[in-house]
Amino acid sequence: NAGVTQTPKFRVLKTGQSMTLLCAQDMNHEYMYWYRQDPGMGLRLIHYSVGEGTTAKGEVPDGYNVSRLKKQNFLLGLESAAPSQTSVYFCASRAGAGNEQFFGPGTRLTVL
Amino acid sequence: DAKTTQPPSMDCAEGRAANLPCNHSTISGNEYVYWYRQIHSQGPQYIIHGLKNNETNEMASLIITEDRKSSTLILPHATLRDTAVYYCIVSPSGGTNAGKSTFGDGTTLTVKP
Repeated sequence: NAGVTQTPKFRVLKTGQSMTLLCAQDMNHEYMYWYRQDPGMGLRLIHYSVGEGTTAKGEVPDGYNVSRLKKQNFLLGLESAAPSQTSVYFCASRAGAGNEQFFGPGTRLTVL
Repeated sequence: DAKTTQPPSMDCAEGRAANLPCNHSTISGNEYVYWYRQIHSQGPQYIIHGLKNNETNEMASLIITEDRKSSTLILPHATLRDTAVYYCIVSPSGGTNAGKSTFGDGTTLTVKP
């Protein structure tokens, strides 16, 4: 099992550009999450999904969109990147609401 | 969602027990207490979780007070490799926010030789 994988690992964008971050899990988990972590801070929840075809907003959803068309994938989109979105993005998945989360290695995004 | 409060930093001597406190005074009946840790810039790693009863696994013990308003993570014999940021979070197991989880800023534990 690869667990939770994230693509890409690093990316540099210019202000106004768009991109999509891909999270994939091979554990047949129902729940998936996107977090961002700024330097010296904790993780903040952007969006999450409790099953295929569903999404919900977290603490800091503005400027991001997500889709969960397949159970194993959770996509995070930035339509018009801003320097304030420079951060490390972590994806996680869990089997159910009473189970632990498994995290990916992170995507380091810089917006110039 | 219940929020948690943790001290920003703690030190512990190598080989001694590390006791990390967490306050979650607004916790609801269906919310679990989870502990994770993050070493350097890696993705957080699960440690332990519980609902009402104390829990123990190969990594740590979790002590939850009877009123569930606070908990303590115990690393029985801390090593230098336990130096990390430790996050205590609460997450509902049911209801409209089932599965939603909110991380705070955590406690930076430094284990010293």
